[in-house]
Amino acid sequence: QPVVTQSSSASASLGSSVKLTCTLSSGHSSYIIAWHQQQPGKAPRYLMKVEGSGNYNKGGGVPDRFSGSSSGADRYLTISNLQSEDEADYYCETSDSSTRVFGGGTKLTVL
Amino acid sequence: EVHLLESGGGFVQPGGSLRLSCAASGFTFSSYAMNWARQAPGKGLEWVSAISDNSVYTYYADSVKGRFTITRDNSKNTLYLQMDSLRAEDTAVYYCGKVSHLVDYWGQGTLVSVSS
Repeated sequence: QPVVTQSSSASASLGSSVKLTCTLSSGHSSYIIAWHQQQPGKAPRYLMKVEGSGNYNKGGGVPDRFSGSSSGADRYLTISNLQSEDEADYYCETSDSSTRVFGGGTKLTVL
Repeated sequence: EVHLLESGGGFVQPGGSLRLSCAASGFTFSSYAMNWARQAPGKGLEWVSAISDNSVYTYYADSVKGRFTITRDNSKNTLYLQMDSLRAEDTAVYYCGKVSHLVDYWGQGTLVSVSS
C-alpha cells in the first residue's frame, strides 16, 4: 500500500511564497494525492487534488493563491502571498483500491 | 452546499461501545463512497474506514479491523460507525468525509473519549 511523507514543519514570511512537499513511496509515483488544510481548532478542509501530470483541481472557495504541481513522486502545494490565516497544518492524502493514507502533516508557520 | 454533521461521540469506558452517525446533505449521497478518519489529541489524521456507494465494499485500517463496523443507510442519507471493544488509544475526534476518489468534503467532527 502507498505511503506519503511530509516534512514536519515549514515557515515563511507574511506576503511571501512557500512550497510544501508530499512524497509518494516507491511504486506509487503515479498516484493522485489530495491536500487538506487544518487551521488551529478546526476541522480539516479539502484544498485540491494533484495528479502526477501536474494538473490540479481545487475545491470550491479555495483562493487563487493556492496552487499545485508535481515532479516524479513529489506532489507540491504552493501558497503565494502568504496570509496570517494560512498558518495551519497541511496534510496530503492518497489511496489505492482498499486503503487510504494520510501523511504526518506539515505545520506551516507564517512569520 | 455539501454538509456533513457527525454525532454520537462521548465518554465511554474501555471495552465499551459507541455508534457514530454522519448526516449528509447537499449531494446525492447514494452516488458516493464515504469515509471515517480520526485525529487523536495533538496528533495527525488517521484513516479509519471507508464504504462504497452501494455498501458492497468496506475497508478498515488494521488498528480497528474486527472492532469497528462501517455501514450506511442511503434512504436516510446517513453514514454510521459502530465501535466496539473500545480502547484508550481510540480516543480522538472522528470525522466523516465524502469521497470522490479522495476526501473532498469533511464534517466538523465528534469527540470520542475512552477512559476508566
